[in-house]
This record gives sequence, structure tokens and C-alpha cells, in this order.
Amino acid sequence: AQKVTQAQTEISVVEKEDVTLDCVYETRDTTYYLFWYKQPPSGELVFLIRRNSFDEQNEISGRYSWNFQKSTSSFNFTITASQVVDSAVYFCALTGGTSYGKLTFGQGTILTVHP
Amino acid sequence: KAGVTQTPRYLIKTRGQQVTLSCSPISGHRSVSWYQQTPGQGLQFLFEYFSETQRNKGNFPGRFSGRQFSNSRSEMNVSTLELGDSALYLCASSQSRPTDTQYFGPGTRLTVL
Repeated sequence: AQKVTQAQTEISVVEKEDVTLDCVYETRDTTYYLFWYKQPPSGELVFLIRRNSFDEQNEISGRYSWNFQKSTSSFNFTITASQVVDSAVYFCALTGGTSYGKLTFGQGTILTVHP
Repeated sequence: KAGVTQTPRYLIKTRGQQVTLSCSPISGHRSVSWYQQTPGQGLQFLFEYFSETQRNKGNFPGRFSGRQFSNSRSEMNVSTLELGDSALYLCASSQSRPTDTQYFGPGTRLTVL
């Protein structure tokens, strides 16, 4: 069975602070894919990044960066110089093997960025 | 390219009724997955369709069913609604491989009274 754990239920920061959202996963698949999604108050899940299990390179996209460490089964997400518009619920998700269209999501982290 | 669309956006039903939700995937996407989101259970996978065939199903009772049409549009149906079925129902589309990125629609907010 697959499992994703986001230990931080809520995080509150002040604008311009850096913030890291943690994600730990469990899977028996040797090939799997990890994702991060953002859910603003409107409700739609917005895709942020996809990473496969064979690619442990960290990735940076503007103010966003992701740290994938297979040794610790973690896929953490850092927002640098946070902004009010970053306020949302962030989900880490996992799929692999014969999951066929099934994403297993963590419980989500509510990020609030105060001006 | 237009995104995933879902109709209706909001729905209010009473216990015992049935409901049908619709999802139109991104053009060219052939796989559609459905998820239920509630405050207590989070995001849970319902089922996935590809080429009009259900390839995978989550742990939901038989009251939850779905189908996919030849144009990849999908519908899900919930019969004999219960109060606990109140949720945000999200549809996602992807190209074809099981591990392709899923792109989500805005969801249908179902309230059961």
C-alpha cells in the first residue's frame, strides 16, 4: 500500500519569510512518481511539479524549490520569500506501479502568509 | 488549451436522491480520474477511466459509479445519497499512461440535506 504523510497541518508565516513543507512517503514500487499540488480557496488543484523515482536532482522554479531524497523517502517543498498569494493548501501525492490513475494524497498543509 | 471542466459547480440534494456529475477532460487527454474531498477523509480516489473502460477503482460502495464516453468525457453517479456524501468531487484528466500528470477541474460541490 502507498502512503503519504504531511506532518505539518498548518503553517503561518509573515511575507518574505522562507517556508518548507515536508512530505514523507511509503511505497513498495521501485518506479513511482511524486507530485505537489496547490489548492487555493477556489478549490481547484493546481499542478506544481512531478518527479520520478529515478531522478533525485533538486529542482528550482522561481521562488519554488523541491528537495527529493530517496534515502529518507522525502520530497520537501520550499517557498523562498513567501508572498500573500502563496496562501493555499498544499498537497503532496504519489503514484506508481499499477496504480492506474490513482494518486495517493497526503492530508495537506494549510499555508497562511500574512502581510 | 481549455482546462478540465466540471458541471455543475454546485449541487444541493436530499437524502435518498441520486446525482450525476459531468467532467470534460483537456483536449487529447484520454484518462479521467475522480476524487472525493472531505474535511475528515481528505482526498480519496474513486475510479479511473481510459478508453471507456474502468482501469482502477477505490474503496467506495457500489452506490458510486462512473462511465466514460467515446469522446473521453466522463460522468459519475451517486445513487441513494447519504449525508456523508457531501463533499467536493474533483475530476482530473491525463494523457494515457497511468503515471502521467493529472490536471484537475474546479470540482463540483455536493451538499446532501
